[in-house]
Amino acid sequence: NAGVIQTPRHKVTGKGQEATLWCEPISGHSAVFWYRQTIVQGLEFLTYFRNQAPIDDSGMPKERFSAQMPNQSHSTLKIQSTQPQDSAVYLCASSLDSGSDYTFGSGTRLLVI
Amino acid sequence: GQQVQQSPASLVLQEGENAELQCNFSTSLNSMQWFYQRPGGSLVSLFYNPSGTKHSGRLTSTTVIKERRSSLHISSSQTTDSGTYLCALEPSGSWQLIFGSGTQLTVMP
Repeated sequence: NAGVIQTPRHKVTGKGQEATLWCEPISGHSAVFWYRQTIVQGLEFLTYFRNQAPIDDSGMPKERFSAQMPNQSHSTLKIQSTQPQDSAVYLCASSLDSGSDYTFGSGTRLLVI
Repeated sequence: GQQVQQSPASLVLQEGENAELQCNFSTSLNSMQWFYQRPGGSLVSLFYNPSGTKHSGRLTSTTVIKERRSSLHISSSQTTDSGTYLCALEPSGSWQLIFGSGTQLTVMP
């Protein structure tokens, strides 16, 4: 069990460019979550999927951010026209059911310059 | 307002001392969870604790739903316990987690 795998570990983009972050959940986990962590805001929920279906995206900025889960083995978080305030660590997590097996990936550190 | 309030924000201990970390919450929940994070590291689950008391080595988690609080007790602290401890609430009807602001623990040798 390799755990939740996130790629890339680090990403630097220029302002206005697009960034795509990848997450491979633990095999058999039905839920996949995306969070964002900054010094100022702490850990914030963005969105989650259950059995590949989007369930709750209430934490996603309405513009520029989108998430997909095209199959059981990976999810992507895409940020269009990145801004410096998007700089953060983006964490993906998966769980077996209602949160009792929450496992986080190592995160993608995004820096927008 | 904030649904999860965590205290203290930071704590410095001498090795061997005990620590008590607190989280208070203002919404109904499925569970309270505790995580540990090293600087630059990922989150490691310590406890999934819907209610009552759970033990794991030198760690004890207690969640009291009626009093809307959860605590993490670390006994006989070690320098390797240094890092950030985060509580997270799983609200009723949702699988997302709402995190507290964290406690930065430093254990001095």
